[in-house]
Formats: sequence, C-alpha cells, structure tokens
Amino acid sequence: EAGVTQFPSHSVIEKGQTVTLRCDPISGHDNLYWYRRVMGKEIKFLLHFVKESKQDESGMPNNRFLAERTGGTYSTLKVQPAELEDSGVYFCASSQSLAGDTQYFGPGTRLTVL
Amino acid sequence: GQNIDQPTEMTATEGAIVQINCTYQTSGFNGLFWYQQHAGEAPTFLSYNVLDGLEEKGRFSSFLSRSKGYSYLLLKELQMKDSASYLCAVTTDSWGKLQFGAGTQVVVTP
Repeated sequence: EAGVTQFPSHSVIEKGQTVTLRCDPISGHDNLYWYRRVMGKEIKFLLHFVKESKQDESGMPNNRFLAERTGGTYSTLKVQPAELEDSGVYFCASSQSLAGDTQYFGPGTRLTVL
Repeated sequence: GQNIDQPTEMTATEGAIVQINCTYQTSGFNGLFWYQQHAGEAPTFLSYNVLDGLEEKGRFSSFLSRSKGYSYLLLKELQMKDSASYLCAVTTDSWGKLQFGAGTQVVVTP
C-alpha cells in the first residue's frame, strides 16, 4: 500500500511569490489533514478535510493560505503571496476514521521564503 | 491555554532503557499518540492510548494517566536506529485534530 506522498519535497521562493503544495493521501482515506512546523516550534494543525469538505480550518494562519480537495482525493495548499514567516515544513496526513484512528504522515514539503 | 510538554533532549546508551514523559493540559481529551520522526522523514506512528494503563508493543510501551494528564513512552533495549525525535500528540475532539508537543530528541550512544 502506497503511503502519503507530498510534492515538492523542497521549495525555495521569494517573498511575494506563489507556491502550491500537493498531498496525495492513502487511497480510500476520507480524512486529510494539513500541519505545519515552523523552525524551533511544535507541529501545528492547519486544517482538516472530510472527503472534499473542509471540516475544520481553524489553524489556517490568514487568507493568504487556500486549501482545496476537489473530488475528495488529493489536496493542494496554496500560499499567495508568500511571506518570510511562512517558511517551515508542511506535513499532510490522512486517516480512515476519526479521533482514534492512526494518522499517516507524508514526508513533508520544506518551504523556504527568501 | 493548552499545553503539551515533553523534555527537549535525552541521551542514553545502546541497550539501555529510556522513558520520555509527556504532560498535557487540554480543553478536551480523546486520545494520546506517540510518533517517531527521523530527521527529514515523515512522523511514523508508534502507539495510541485512550484508556488509563500500559500498552506494550515489542520494545516500545506507552502509559497513560488521564487524571494526571500524563503519559510516558518507554523504549527498551535501545538501538542506534532509535535515535530520533519522539512526538507526543493529543486529540481533543472526535475529528482527530492533533495537538503536538515540541518533541524529544533521543540520542543513542554506543
């Protein structure tokens, strides 16, 4: 069974540019989560999809971040325009069920904004 | 506020035992997870506790006391490959959103 995959693995962009991160969850997993780790801090929740619907986006920092999951399969997270403080590692995770089910994480996308 | 605290770093010798403590103060509780993360890789699931007590899985065990807001991860017969960051994470609702501690870097020395 293929795991959660993320693309790209690394992205270096300049302040003001746009970047789109992609996550492919494990096939059949309805739940997809985005998290972020800023240097020196803990991993923090960004948002949660159930199939194609946003169930919880309380962790999204501001309206420069837009997440989509059209068709309930892969998801994209777009940052536009990127700011210096957006640098960090963006993780995606998926699970079949909810609270008690294991979330399987992707390797993350390391975003550097210069 | 909500806090999940764990030590920053622990060092132990190959073959030894290490216990990583995690204390939490959250507005709700629906389970506690431990993940292992090697540098540059995905966090991988180690254990899940929702009821008080000890869960044993091979060389790794995890304990939970909900009344004390406390958990620990016990790593036995340490191997060099166990050098990694260990993340304590709590889910506070039925939707599975995880709140993480900052992670404990375990260094295993020969």
